[in-house]
Amino acid sequence: AQSVAQPEDQVNVAEGNPLTVKCTYSVSGNPYLFWYVQYPNRGLQFLLKYITGDNLVKGSYGFEAEFNKSQTSFHLKKPSALVSDSALYFCAVRAPDAGKSTFGDGTTLTVKP
Amino acid sequence: GAGVSQTPSNKVTEKGKYVELRCDPISGHTALYWYRQSLGQGPEFLIYFQGTGAADDSGLPNDRFFAVRPEGSVSTLKIQRTERGDSAVYLCASSLQGYTEAFFGQGTRLTVV
Repeated sequence: AQSVAQPEDQVNVAEGNPLTVKCTYSVSGNPYLFWYVQYPNRGLQFLLKYITGDNLVKGSYGFEAEFNKSQTSFHLKKPSALVSDSALYFCAVRAPDAGKSTFGDGTTLTVKP
Repeated sequence: GAGVSQTPSNKVTEKGKYVELRCDPISGHTALYWYRQSLGQGPEFLIYFQGTGAADDSGLPNDRFFAVRPEGSVSTLKIQRTERGDSAVYLCASSLQGYTEAFFGQGTRLTVV
């Protein structure tokens, strides 16, 4: 069985500061990992993914994520947060031979001016 | 181009009634997914189509739930004898292949009263 844990329901940061949203996963085999963002009254939007290759993945809006196999983690990061980054963030994992993705319960990011 | 379209955006139905939820994926996307999202939780996998066939329906909670994709494009999620516990946002997503990021629609909010 595959699973995702997002240990923080809420993350609060000041604008301009770096942000980290944590994610750990469990899956059989090499994982496919994803981050999605959900703004109020809008659908889930893809941010970035790790399939293979470089452990540091860069995505949309200046976000990046680091795949750490030994810690089974895929934390989302951004060097300098913007107020407009405030949203609900979901981490997801998929086994390489499956179509099913398992999502975490989400982390609400609030960036204050 | 057009994104994933889901209709209706909201559906209120009485307990015991039958409902159909429609998903129009992005043109050319062969993979289509249905998820269900309850308040405060991440999306929960229901079913995955590759073309016209259901490649994985392990997430359908019981035999009241059924989905079809007869021509490999539009999909319909059908729920018989609805129960109050079926109330949730039903999300549809599509992707070019089975193993890349998914593009989500805005969902159908189903309320069973």
